[in-house]
Amino acid sequence: DVKVTQSSRYLVKRTGEKVFLECVQDMDHENMFWYRQDPGLGLRLIYFSYDVKMKEKGDIPEGYSVSREKKERFSLILESASTNQTSMYLCASSSGQGGWAFFGQGTRLTVV
Amino acid sequence: AQSVTQPDIHITVSEGASLELRCNYSYGATPYLFWYVQSPGQGLQLLLKYFSGDTLVQGIKGFEAEFKRSQSSFNLRKPSVHWSDAAEYFCAVGAPGNEKLTFGTGTRLSIIP
Repeated sequence: DVKVTQSSRYLVKRTGEKVFLECVQDMDHENMFWYRQDPGLGLRLIYFSYDVKMKEKGDIPEGYSVSREKKERFSLILESASTNQTSMYLCASSSGQGGWAFFGQGTRLTVV
Repeated sequence: AQSVTQPDIHITVSEGASLELRCNYSYGATPYLFWYVQSPGQGLQLLLKYFSGDTLVQGIKGFEAEFKRSQSSFNLRKPSVHWSDAAEYFCAVGAPGNEKLTFGTGTRLSIIP
């Protein structure tokens, strides 16, 4: 089975901190994604990576950056965390079958 | 641009009753369609997917969905729900050559014992 692992289930950070959310997949997938999930808004794509060192902005990239130095690892970075970034963050990977994605367990981030 | 509408925010059904969750999509060609389920505090698990072929798709946990091109719909059904089906359900659309899924806003399913 595909495994997508997010490094933390819960995080509490202070406003202005630099925050790293880590995601690792074990199926050699080319594509990796970061989504943000908020009640009533569903999942919104933050960033997408289709290869090592390659990235593409999603629908809500403002306030975020990403890093993909190795194929299996995709990091989401909040340069200066703000309270409106309190949310559930979901990482996913896919092998290129038209969007068939596998998801991690999610990281619930609270910024205080 | 592709989009997905899940018109029902919250549905409550009795255990043992049948279930239908609605999903309408907008896409210019034949889409790839997905249903995912999210249990509380968990990530998303794929229930079923439609790429092509038979428009009635069987998934895990006894779920099925039917692709109706004329109605731009991909509704999820289950003949008899179990208390463990209480969760949030997301419909999503993708496309050949486009790896970015577009999700609906989700439908929360509650089960009455």
